[in-house]
Amino acid sequence: AQSVTQLDSQVPVFEEAPVELRCNYSSSVSVYLFWYVQYPNQGLQLLLKYLSGSTLVKGINGFEAEFNKSQTSFHLRKPSVHISDTAEYFCAVPSNTGKLIFGQGTTLQVKP
Amino acid sequence: DAGVIQSPRHEVTEMGQEVTLRCKPISGHDYLFWYRQTMMRGLELLIYFNNNVPIDDSGMPEDRFSAKMPNASFSTLKIQPSEPRDSAVYFCASSTQDLAGAHSYEQYFGPGTRLTVT
Repeated sequence: AQSVTQLDSQVPVFEEAPVELRCNYSSSVSVYLFWYVQYPNQGLQLLLKYLSGSTLVKGINGFEAEFNKSQTSFHLRKPSVHISDTAEYFCAVPSNTGKLIFGQGTTLQVKP
Repeated sequence: DAGVIQSPRHEVTEMGQEVTLRCKPISGHDYLFWYRQTMMRGLELLIYFNNNVPIDDSGMPEDRFSAKMPNASFSTLKIQPSEPRDSAVYFCASSTQDLAGAHSYEQYFGPGTRLTVT
């Protein structure tokens, strides 16, 4: 069965500092992986996705993630965060029935 | 493209009343998902459709909840009767197949309906 674990519920960080949001997955099917972002009072939007090919995936707003098959991880990183990056971030993996399995979310709090 | 459209954006109702939430998916998308989000339980998948047919409704909390998709461009989520514990943000999302005919899994979310039941 597919599952996703986001290891941190909240990550506080100062502006311009680097950040890593951690995600571990379990999947018995072909591995596709997603990160979504939810800004306050908005719906989720796709940040980046891994389908195949290069294990380093670049997304919007300067975020990137690295697929690590041996560690079953897909951690999200940004070298320098902005106040506007304050949001909730969700890691997700598809099931074999067409739906996405979302993690519990990580709240990124960027402080000035 | 207008994206996924949900209405109303906000709904305040009294306990016991019927509530109907509406969703228009992105044109051409053949999967439609209904989610509920609360602080306590996070993001929960309620039900999803493929080509207007319900595939998995195991997340529907109880018989008070029902969802329909009469055509490819419209879906409703109905709660009857509503209860205060139904207060949440309800999201609709849609997705489609890629050019090879495989499900792309990339979901596009609407802005949500914030439901308050007093």
